Amino acid sequence: DQQVKQNSPSLSVQEGRISILNCDYTNSMFDYFLWYKKYPAEGPTFLISISSIKDKNEDGRFTVFLNKSAKHLSLHIVPSQPGDSAVYFCAASASPFNDYKLSFGAGTTVTVRA
Amino acid sequence: NAGVTQTPKFQVLKTGQSMTLQCAQDMNHNSMYWYRQDPGMGLRLIYYSASEGTTDKGEVPNGYNVSRLNKREFSLRLESAAPSQTSVYFCASRIRGGEETQYFGPGTRLLVL
Repeated sequence: DQQVKQNSPSLSVQEGRISILNCDYTNSMFDYFLWYKKYPAEGPTFLISISSIKDKNEDGRFTVFLNKSAKHLSLHIVPSQPGDSAVYFCAASASPFNDYKLSFGAGTTVTVRA
Repeated sequence: NAGVTQTPKFQVLKTGQSMTLQCAQDMNHNSMYWYRQDPGMGLRLIYYSASEGTTDKGEVPNGYNVSRLNKREFSLRLESAAPSQTSVYFCASRIRGGEETQYFGPGTRLLVL
């Protein structure tokens, strides 16, 4: 049973506009959330994370929002650039309770159009 | 500093053959992980090693074995490959303690015929 869900397999956005990627989770024990970016034929690279004690974390063009009551998080990319075209994975951890193992969503493929 | 390295990059096996996927990290990380990525399913944890000398099953361990050879190296073995094991395999490592970010290698693409 998938505990982390990314219900949008793909997203197309124009260069310069905002990209919003969504992620839902079912396990209330999750307390740390991460976003990874993956280019074809490469490994996932860490992008940004957020602890459950926060509701927002920002790093340059990337902002992650966490809504614990809704068990929902989102990644905003502003402005979107052609190099942002990649697959984005949402991941969650229940910290010491599960040896820091990560549960991943299925990914969202982002295409930034010129 | 190469980070996490994996060999081979690509491998074709026949059903029933065995092989070992190698992973090494030079970041002095304590924990190491093996994942597989299949279309539409994200990354699923096969096995992990929380620290040198320990290994534990993840979500999809059947058909695999692992060895934590030393702090740097964590190998994944397929004893009798099956077509269902056709996938892309990623190794990852994590430093220790409360740091939750995992760092991934470039992957091994495996095709079992």
